[in-house]
Amino acid sequence: DAGVIQSPRHEVTEMGQEVTLRCKPISGHDYLFWYRQTMMRGLELLIYFNNNVPIDDSGMPEDRFSAKMPNASFSTLKIQPSEPRDSAVYFCASSPAGANRQYFGPGTRLTVT
Amino acid sequence: GNSVTQMEGPVTLSEEAFLTINCTYTATGYPSLFWYVQYPGEGLQLLLKATKADDKGSNKGFEATYRKETTSFHLEKGSVQVSDSAVYFCASDGGYGNKLVFGAGTILRVKS
Repeated sequence: DAGVIQSPRHEVTEMGQEVTLRCKPISGHDYLFWYRQTMMRGLELLIYFNNNVPIDDSGMPEDRFSAKMPNASFSTLKIQPSEPRDSAVYFCASSPAGANRQYFGPGTRLTVT
Repeated sequence: GNSVTQMEGPVTLSEEAFLTINCTYTATGYPSLFWYVQYPGEGLQLLLKATKADDKGSNKGFEATYRKETTSFHLEKGSVQVSDSAVYFCASDGGYGNKLVFGAGTILRVKS
């Protein structure tokens, strides 16, 4: 299995631009999670999906952030407009139903200048 | 509520030294507990887990015992190697399944 796939691995953009991060979960996994990691705040859960339906988005910092999961094999996290304080590593993770172990992708390092 | 508290780092050790990273939890249910490890430039990966009181999780020489009486899940290794240098995260599912709560992470640096 290829594991969780994220793209791009690195993204550098200017303040005000739209940023889209992509994730392909492990095939057959029912849950998908988006996290943000920074030195100041550590690892934060932004949102998670079960069977493509958003279950808890209480961690999404503000309306500039949105996430979608149009099908079982693809999810996006969009930031519009981006700000320098959004600079972080964003991780996607997935897990199968009935299992609480999560499998993490390699992350996307976002830099907003 | 559900939370995890782990010791602050960085922890710096010499090769072959004994390692302990403390972790305590609060939970409204009966949680499963986890240790994840993050190597530089990579995502988190599961190191070990325990699903009930007195269970011991172990992997790659690391161990942690689920202690309900002290609400703890301390990570230990008898002899660390330079290759163990990473960030270690303690986590809990709060007893409710797929959503995990992570600690702040502890940086471990092992010197040769």
